[in-house]
Amino acid sequence: DTGVSQDPRHKITKRGQNVTFRCDPISEHNRLYWYRQTLGQGPEFLTYFQNEAQLEKSRLLSDRFSAERPKGSFSTLEIQRTEQGDSAMYLCASSLGDPQPQHFGDGTRLSIL
Amino acid sequence: AQSVTQLDSHVSVSEGTPVLLRCNYSSSYSPSLFWYVQHPNKGLQLLLKYTSAATLVKGINGFEAEFKKSETSFHLTKPSAHMSDAAEYFCVVSATNDYKLSFGAGTTVTVRA
Repeated sequence: DTGVSQDPRHKITKRGQNVTFRCDPISEHNRLYWYRQTLGQGPEFLTYFQNEAQLEKSRLLSDRFSAERPKGSFSTLEIQRTEQGDSAMYLCASSLGDPQPQHFGDGTRLSIL
Repeated sequence: AQSVTQLDSHVSVSEGTPVLLRCNYSSSYSPSLFWYVQHPNKGLQLLLKYTSAATLVKGINGFEAEFKKSETSFHLTKPSAHMSDAAEYFCVVSATNDYKLSFGAGTTVTVRA
C-alpha cells in the first residue's frame, strides 16, 4: 500500500496565475475526493469521482476550478486566475467505496502572493 | 444533513495522563463516525470508525471512542498520552451510503513532558 500521493507539496504563485495539482490514489480505489482546508479549520468537500465520472461538485467549487480524472486513475485539480482566497491546503483522498474509509494524501499547500 | 461539533478547540495534558476529546454529532440518517488525526503539514490519518456495529470502537495507537446515540456523542479517549500524540484531531460524520465527509473544526492536543 503506497498510499495517496499528491504533487506538488507546496505551490507559491502570484495572484491571477493558473495552477494545477495532481493526485495519485491508492491503485485499487475507484473513488477519489478533493477537499480544501483553510488555516484553523477542518477540511471541506469540493468534489468526488467514481472511476472517471465526476459525480458531485460542491458550491465551494467556483467556475475557476476544474477537476478531471481522465482514465479513472490519477486526478488533476486546476485553479484558473488564482485569488488570495484560494490560499489553502488542497487534500486528495481515495476509497474503495462505502463503507470503506477515505485515505488521505499529505496535501498541496497553495500560497498566493 | 450531517454536522459535528467538537467541544474543545484546545486540550493540554501531561504525558502519561488520560486524554478526552469531545464530539457531538447531528445526522438525519444513521451516521458513520470517524476520528482522524493530522500532524503538522501532513494529511489526515484514520484513527478509528463507527459504522453501526459495536458502540465501543478501538482504534490505532491506543485510542478508542464510544458511540452514545442517546447523547449524540462520539468522544475519543486514550488512557495514557504520549508526546507523539500532539496533533490536530478531527471528528467526522457521514450519512450511511453518503460519500461526503463533514469535519468538525478540530481539537489541538498538546502534551506536556
